Amino acid sequence: AQSVTQPDIHITVSEGASLELRCNYSYGATPYLFWYVQSPGQGLQLLLKYFSGDTLVQGIKGFEAEFKRSQSSFNLRKPSVHWSDAAEYFCAVLFTGNQFYFGTGTSLTVIP
Amino acid sequence: DGGITQSPKYLFRKEGQNVTLSCEQNLNHDAMYWYRQDPGQGLRLIYYSQIVNDFQKGDIAEGYSVSREKKESFPLTVTSAQKNPTAFYLCASRNRGTTTSTDTQYFGPGTRLTVL
Repeated sequence: AQSVTQPDIHITVSEGASLELRCNYSYGATPYLFWYVQSPGQGLQLLLKYFSGDTLVQGIKGFEAEFKRSQSSFNLRKPSVHWSDAAEYFCAVLFTGNQFYFGTGTSLTVIP
Repeated sequence: DGGITQSPKYLFRKEGQNVTLSCEQNLNHDAMYWYRQDPGQGLRLIYYSQIVNDFQKGDIAEGYSVSREKKESFPLTVTSAQKNPTAFYLCASRNRGTTTSTDTQYFGPGTRLTVL
């Protein structure tokens, strides 16, 4: 069955520290992969996406993500976290057809 | 200014009443989606529409209805049959574009529905 997993429900990092949010999927082929960010009470904003080609993709706000086929993963990274990065992060996958599947989200807290 | 608008931002209704949530987009996207968001459960698909006058049920369509009479509009009705309607509702549109690299979903700001 197709599925998307974000193993970490909540992560706390210090401002200036590096960040990695995990995303794994279950599918027989390579899907389209997305990361979104959501501030409280707001809609989702696209950070970056992967379709094919270079497995390291750059996004907005200094984020990047790496697709690893062997691990069925698409982890989101940022070298130095800012207090404004505190939010909920969602990994999304488009397997085939027209339905997007979302992980349950990772809540990020940034401490000074 | 292009984008997706949802109204109202907050909506309160009494139990047993139907309520319609508005979603409008001026991005000229063919496809539109409705999601429900509950704490700790991510986004769950309610309905989606690929073209005008056509729509498909998502994973949690029971108790909801939609229409797609215009490309720009995709209203969602939460009926009295929905057993637990209090949630945050997100509308999205999809730009399939001419290449796969442009295929992306864009989201509106959401409507928080509270049923009293």
